[in-house]
Formats: sequence, C-alpha cells, structure tokens
Amino acid sequence: QITLKESGPALVKPTQTLTLTCTFSGFSLSTNGVGVGWIRQPPGKALEWLALFYWNEDKRYSSSLKNRLTIRKDTSRNQVVLTMTNMDPVDTASYYCALWRTEGGWFDPWGQGTLVTVSS
Amino acid sequence: DIVMTQSPDSLAVSLGERATINCKSSQSLLYSSNNKNYLVWYQQKPGQPPKVLIYWASTRESGVPDRFSGSGSGTDFTLTISSLQAEDVAVYYCQQYYSPPLTFGGGTKVEIK
Repeated sequence: QITLKESGPALVKPTQTLTLTCTFSGFSLSTNGVGVGWIRQPPGKALEWLALFYWNEDKRYSSSLKNRLTIRKDTSRNQVVLTMTNMDPVDTASYYCALWRTEGGWFDPWGQGTLVTVSS
Repeated sequence: DIVMTQSPDSLAVSLGERATINCKSSQSLLYSSNNKNYLVWYQQKPGQPPKVLIYWASTRESGVPDRFSGSGSGTDFTLTISSLQAEDVAVYYCQQYYSPPLTFGGGTKVEIK
C-alpha cells in the first residue's frame, strides 16, 4: 500500500522560510520512472503544482515560484523535502505531496495535505 | 507554460441529470507518437485530497463509476457525469501532463440543484 504524509509548521511568519517534509511508504524513489511532487491549494481556490523530484535526481519547478523553491530527497528516511523562501500571506494554503509516475504523468495517490498559514 | 481553462466555474444539476465540464488547453495535449492525450481529471470532495477519475483524457480509473466519462482530443476536453448522484458533489479539476510545468485548470464546483 502506497501512502504519503506531509508534515511541517502550521504557522509561519512573513519572510520566513517554510520547510515541508513528505514521508512516503510503499514505493522507492530510486525506482525508474517514479517521482514525488508537491502541490498547493489556497483555501477555496484551485490546485497549483509546485515542484517534482524524479527518480534520477532531476527536479522541476513551477515557473512562477522556481526562485523560491528547493526540492530534495532524504533517501535514508524515504522523505522528500520542499523549502519555500520568503513566505507571504498569499502563500497560505494546504500543501500536498503525491506520487508521480512517468508511465502516466498524473499524481496518484496524494497525501492528506497540511495547512500552512502565513501570518505575523 | 500550458494554460488550462475550465468552464463553467460552477454548475448546479438535478439528481439524475447530466453534468458537463469543459477543459481547454492553450496548446495541444495530443502526443503524436502514441496518439494519447496527456490530460487527467480529478475529483476533490471537501476536506479531502484530489482523486483520479479519468486519465489519458478518456480512460476511467479502476473503481470509478461508469457514469463518469471523459472525451476530447487536442485542446478541448470534456468530463461528463451522465446521471448525477449526491456523492458526486465535489470540485473537479483537469491537469495536463504533456510537459512541465504541470498545470491545473481552475476547477469546476458541482452542486445539486
């Protein structure tokens, strides 16, 4: 069974750096064709893809946020970590991680998400 | 970036009636080498993460009721719920996976009339 779970602070202050961790099980990020992505969703708004870490260590970022994002993996702990710098109240959102596979290209399954509020 | 535009933003449909959601991409999602459209439809119920309904534009995910169907090719796609049930109340999103950056539509909220 494949599961993913997001963790991180519920509240961050403006200008701070957000660090989120996706802990997964049921698959290996070393397996050919596998990736872990991050997607966010402001309250009541649409989904927005942020970043993707591929099995071959390649990384892709949202065009609009690439200067603020870093994605990396911690193989020893089956985790993918996303950092976002210079947080702003508009970054308040539920942040999801999800499994991605090259044989498809969609995200499935998703974690339950973690709500991050940016406020002073 | 490929822009995904969904319409309508919301719709209210009577139980048992048809619901139709449209998704338009700013460039073709049809990959000529395999004749597949790189588009997926998700369903998101309140308080839950999105769930895959349809991939390759028209292939129903295992376990998804057959009242859900996807159609279209190139830049214009449609998700149809043939006979709306109460449990179908949700927001529906399309997403292209033709090329990064991966992009989502703005979502369509489906409610009961």
